[in-house]
Amino acid sequence: QKEVEQNSGPLSVPEGAIASLNCTYSDRGSQSFFWYRQYSGKSPELIMSIYSNGDKEDGRFTAQLNKASQYVSLLIRDSQPSDSATYLCAVNRDDKIIFGKGTRLHILP
Amino acid sequence: DAGITQSPRYKITETGRQVTLMCHQTWSHSYMFWYRQDLGHGLRLIYYSAAADITDKGEVPDGYVVSRSKTENFPLTLESATRSQTSVYFCASSEIAAGAYNEQFFGPGTRLTVL
Repeated sequence: QKEVEQNSGPLSVPEGAIASLNCTYSDRGSQSFFWYRQYSGKSPELIMSIYSNGDKEDGRFTAQLNKASQYVSLLIRDSQPSDSATYLCAVNRDDKIIFGKGTRLHILP
Repeated sequence: DAGITQSPRYKITETGRQVTLMCHQTWSHSYMFWYRQDLGHGLRLIYYSAAADITDKGEVPDGYVVSRSKTENFPLTLESATRSQTSVYFCASSEIAAGAYNEQFFGPGTRLTVL
């Protein structure tokens, strides 16, 4: 089993709808969970971090963590064309971060 | 400028040549990291450093050398470049890394082509 797994996509979502991105991880000892957004040709940009079970909201973004199921998700409400990017899920392992390969999100105008 | 910078942004070199990629951060973060990103592989950790003069291998260290004599700089050297090292290289830094709260912040990347 890969350490951090994401569906590669592309995930196509109509503008204004909710985009739901999912990630599973294998290390039960992980404590920190991150979502990064990466536009084509650019560097990853941290958009959300979550450390406790439950939901964490920041503007149009909500991160959800379920440690029992080893599952973390990102919801993007009112999706905009500018949200079209690759979203990387990342999970800590000891003093390092392990990244998933990313999900490509395409917002349809 | 504040933040994390990388140089050069683009580099073309030939097989067998030595290449050094520079990374500089102004946050005084303790930890610094080097990743490479390739299609189909995502981000893979090459080396990281917990502090000046402390470095450790990541997932794909072969063919690379790092040093960290100053907290703010973390150069990555390809001793004898190979075509398989053609990639986009990202440097990142974080305040702490042990356990939780190790949010990493990335530089703009260096696109390296080895002919």
